[in-house]
Amino acid sequence: EDQVTQSPEALRLQEGESSSLNCSYTVSGLRGLFWYRQDPGKGPEFLFTLYSAGEEKEKERLKATLTKKESFLHITAPKPEDSATYLCAVQKTDSWGKLQFGAGTQVVVTP
Amino acid sequence: GAGVSQSPRYKVTKRGQDVALRCDPISGHVSLYWYRQALGQGPEFLTYFNYEAQQDKSGLPNDRFSAERPEGSISTLTIQRTEQRDSAMYRCASSGTRRMHDTQYFGPGTRLTVL
Repeated sequence: EDQVTQSPEALRLQEGESSSLNCSYTVSGLRGLFWYRQDPGKGPEFLFTLYSAGEEKEKERLKATLTKKESFLHITAPKPEDSATYLCAVQKTDSWGKLQFGAGTQVVVTP
Repeated sequence: GAGVSQSPRYKVTKRGQDVALRCDPISGHVSLYWYRQALGQGPEFLTYFNYEAQQDKSGLPNDRFSAERPEGSISTLTIQRTEQRDSAMYRCASSGTRRMHDTQYFGPGTRLTVL
């Protein structure tokens, strides 16, 4: 059975304290892995797509990496505005239209 | 704005009533997706369309749920004979091309409460 597991469930950081979020997956035929950010009361906002092991993508203080079994979202020197829930999702080669999401990691960055 | 819009934003209904939730995708987007999101969880796939054709409805929980997109633009998700367990946030997303589904852009959602 396909699974997407995110850890930790919640993360509390001091401003400037770098950390990493994990998304592990067991999927037959991965086509792509997606990271989204979700603020309270809002819809998920797209961040990155990764397609192959070894691929990395960066945006401001965020960097996403992908291996054959997991993806990491690194937050470097976070600011309070980085507080959000971060969701990862997998897309399979035989069902492109369907994203399977993890439960998310809730990140709180305090000044 | 040019994003995905959904209406109503909030819907309260009584058990047994039918509800219709509407999604207006980003202009020109070929593909449209419906998800359901419980509190503290990620979105759960329900169904999706390319143009007006429903490609995958494997996530619809039972036959009380149906969706249509008759002209390949606006979509309606209908829940018949609502039950309390149907209470959730219903989210719609759209993406630009048929060949590359890749980036799905989400709307603000419709919060459904069944009393």
